[in-house]
Amino acid sequence: QVQLQQWGAGLLKPSETLSLTCAVHGGSFSTYFWTWIRQPPGKGLEWIAEISKSGSTNYNPSLKSRVTISVDTSKNQFSLKLSSVTAADTAVYYCARNLASWGQGTLVTVSS
Amino acid sequence: QTVVTQEPSLTVSPGGTVTLTCASSTGAVTSGHYPNWFQQKPGQAPRALIYSTNNKHSWTPARFSGSLLGGKAALTLSGVQPEDEADYYCLLYYGGTWVFGGGTKLTVL
Repeated sequence: QVQLQQWGAGLLKPSETLSLTCAVHGGSFSTYFWTWIRQPPGKGLEWIAEISKSGSTNYNPSLKSRVTISVDTSKNQFSLKLSSVTAADTAVYYCARNLASWGQGTLVTVSS
Repeated sequence: QTVVTQEPSLTVSPGGTVTLTCASSTGAVTSGHYPNWFQQKPGQAPRALIYSTNNKHSWTPARFSGSLLGGKAALTLSGVQPEDEADYYCLLYYGGTWVFGGGTKLTVL
């Protein structure tokens, strides 16, 4: 059974870059697509970005200028970077495989 | 900007049936939007229930079913259990990007 373990800095200052990594344990890494999703406190889910098994990427248009998603198949990991963060980027960030299996979530707070 | 709309809240009695819907601001929802449905309970990560309109994951209880209904995606719960009380989110595909609905808070009362 696949498990996704995610980590990254939980407290950032405005203008810094958010960096999260998701490690995949179990199952093939190369045959799926990989997604990042976030949820501000008390609010709904927002799709951020995805990367396919071929390495092609898609981004939420509202975040595209600040987001990079990448994959390291040698480590069975994929990552998210979000630059120039503001308080509006405070959220729980989730990684997911094929939108089916999800990580436990990482709370990222942006505060001066 | 594309908006996906769900009922903000619904209430159902235990053992009853309820249908949650998911509408698109661009027009009718079709199978080409690959509707997904997720359940989220307080303090937990979302759990996937339905993908590509009506396909269940191996862990999805039989009482959950997905469909297209009147130009919307729909999630029907038949024989609702108390543990089904949760937030439910739909997700639609728009040619390279995905958009979540605002979520439906389902109360079992």
